[in-house]
Amino acid sequence: AQSVTQLDSQVPVFEEAPVELRCNYSSSVSVYLFWYVQYPNQGLQLLLKYLSGSTLVKGINGFEAEFNKSQTSFHLRKPSVHISDTAEYFCAVSDFNRGSTLGRLYFGRGTQLTVWP
Amino acid sequence: GAGVSQSPRYKVAKRGQDVALRCDPISGHVSLFWYQQALGQGPEFLTYFQNEAQLDKSGLPSDRFFAERPEGSVSTLKIQRTQQEDSAVYLCASSLGQGNTEAFFGQGTRLTVV
Repeated sequence: AQSVTQLDSQVPVFEEAPVELRCNYSSSVSVYLFWYVQYPNQGLQLLLKYLSGSTLVKGINGFEAEFNKSQTSFHLRKPSVHISDTAEYFCAVSDFNRGSTLGRLYFGRGTQLTVWP
Repeated sequence: GAGVSQSPRYKVAKRGQDVALRCDPISGHVSLFWYQQALGQGPEFLTYFQNEAQLDKSGLPSDRFFAERPEGSVSTLKIQRTQQEDSAVYLCASSLGQGNTEAFFGQGTRLTVV
């Protein structure tokens, strides 16, 4: 089974500052990688995903992430955050190995991003 | 429908009661997943349906948990004899197919067992 580690449970930043939310996963076998955002009392919304190809993935709301296979990482970045980016962010992994349930997501514990004015 | 719809949004149950949580996936979506999200944690997989077939139920925590999707559309997650540790948000997600297709999540049902 996959394991996803989000190293920071809380990240406070000031508005317009850059931010990086870190994510590492356990296995180097073939995986798909995702970042989801969850606003209070809402479901999960997909920010971006890596399936194959370019290791730099761009998503919605100005976010991007870089897949690093050798370091088994998929860190999320934004060059300038807004107050509206305040939310919980989840990194998730899905593997497509034989015997796995395709599409099943393994989530990290989440990182609460708080943007201050 | 426009998105994945879950009902009720909030449910308070007395310990020992049975509850049923409903999920209406996006029309035409073949795959349906249930996840449990405890307070301060990431979602954890419970079970997976492909159409009406329950292909993976390895994440169900006990035999008190039961899920069905009899016609390959609406799904119900049932919890019998609820316990306090069942308190969590239950999320449903659907996708068009398997693998790399995007999963769309509902807003969840927050279950509180008192």
